[in-house]
Amino acid sequence: AQKITQTQPGMFVQEKEAVTLDCTYDTSDPSYGLFWYKQPSSGEMIFLIYQGSYDQQNATEGRYSLNFQKARKSANLVISASQLGDSAMYFCAMREGPSNYQLIWGAGTKLIIKP
Amino acid sequence: NAGVTQTPKFRILKIGQSMTLQCTQDMNHNYMYWYRQDPGMGLKLIYYSVGAGITDKGEVPNGYNVSRSTTEDFPLRLELAAPSQTSVYFCASSASLTGVRNQPQHFGDGTRLSIL
Repeated sequence: AQKITQTQPGMFVQEKEAVTLDCTYDTSDPSYGLFWYKQPSSGEMIFLIYQGSYDQQNATEGRYSLNFQKARKSANLVISASQLGDSAMYFCAMREGPSNYQLIWGAGTKLIIKP
Repeated sequence: NAGVTQTPKFRILKIGQSMTLQCTQDMNHNYMYWYRQDPGMGLKLIYYSVGAGITDKGEVPNGYNVSRSTTEDFPLRLELAAPSQTSVYFCASSASLTGVRNQPQHFGDGTRLSIL
C-alpha cells in the first residue's frame, strides 16, 4: 500500500486564487512528521512547511498553511493568493517514528498558475 | 551560504562507464542522503549516512556505492553504468533529530545523469 498518496497529478489555478494540494498518508506509528517541498522547473527542492503528529495547531508559513486532519490521515497544503511563481511540482513526504530520519515521498502534484 | 553542493550538474556517460557524484555540505549535519528522481516521479532513497564512517542502503541501492569519510562529504559511486540509471540525483542533509521535530532535509541542486 502507498504510504503517501497525492491524488492530483496536475492542477490549473487562476492567479490570486487559493489552491489546495491533497496529501493522504498511511502509518500505524503515533509519532510522525509531514513535510511539503516545492520543486520549480529549475529542479531544486525547496522545503515549505512541516507538521508534527503531536502538534496542536495546523502549521503556517507565510502564504502556506497545512490543513491537518489526523483522523482522516490527510495533510493538505493550502497556498493562499497564488502567484505565477508558485507554478511547480509539490511533494508531500512523511517521516515515521521519533528517531527515523528517512522520508517517504509522494509522487507529486504539478501546479500551474494561470495569469 | 553554500548549504549542499553537488557536482557535476550534468553528465553523459556511456554504458559500462563509472563515475562519482560529489556532494558536500557546510552545515555540520550528521545525516546525509542520496536520492534519485525519475521523470514524473517522487524521490527514491539510494543510500544514507548517519555520520562519518556509517552508511546504509535505502530503497534502491543496486548499482551504487557510497562512502562517508568526513562529516562534510558523501560521494555516490556508479559502477558499470546502465541506461536504467538515467535519472536526476539529489544529495540532501539534515540535522540530528530530537523527537519528531522540524528537521527538514536540505537539498543540493541535483545532477542530471544520462547513460547512453
